[in-house]
Amino acid sequence: AQKVTQAQTEISVVEKEDVTLDCVYETRDTTYYLFWYKQPPSGELVFLIRRNSFDEQNEISGRYSWNFQKSTSSFNFTITASQVVDSAVYFCALSLPNAGGTSYGKLTFGQGTILTVHP
Amino acid sequence: KAGVTQTPRYLIKTRGQQVTLSCSPISGHRSVSWYQQTPGQGLQFLFEYFSETQRNKGNFPGRFSGRQFSNSRSEMNVSTLELGDSALYLCASSFIEGYEQYFGPGTRLTVT
Repeated sequence: AQKVTQAQTEISVVEKEDVTLDCVYETRDTTYYLFWYKQPPSGELVFLIRRNSFDEQNEISGRYSWNFQKSTSSFNFTITASQVVDSAVYFCALSLPNAGGTSYGKLTFGQGTILTVHP
Repeated sequence: KAGVTQTPRYLIKTRGQQVTLSCSPISGHRSVSWYQQTPGQGLQFLFEYFSETQRNKGNFPGRFSGRQFSNSRSEMNVSTLELGDSALYLCASSFIEGYEQYFGPGTRLTVT
């Protein structure tokens, strides 16, 4: 069975602080995909990153960076020099193959981490 | 490119009624997935369609059904509505299953 755990329910920081959002996943499959999404107050989920299970290379995109470690089944997300506009709910998600191995279209989401960045 | 569109954006229904929600994917995307978001259960997968075939199904009762048309547009239907069906229903599309899914703004369903 698959599971995604985001242990941090809420995080509050002051602008310009760095913040790391934790994500731990469970699966026995060797091929899977991991994602991060942002849901701002407007409600629409915004795609941030996708990683496949064979690519453990860390990624940096502007102030965002992601650390994928298969050894600990973690896919953590760091925002450097946070800004008020980063305030949102952040979701980590896992995609596994269906029973026939024909689709990876089902995302299993964590419960989300509410990030509040104060000015 | 236009994003994923969902109609209607808001809906109020009475218990026992049925409802149909519509989703138009991003042009060129052939995979459409549906999710239910509630404060208590979070984001839960309903089903996924690719080329008019259901490829994945979540753990929801048979009252929840969906379909996909030849132009990749998708609909989901909920029959015999219950109070617990009140939620934000999100549709997402992707070019191929496993690729990133792009979400629409959702349909907020309220069952009274």
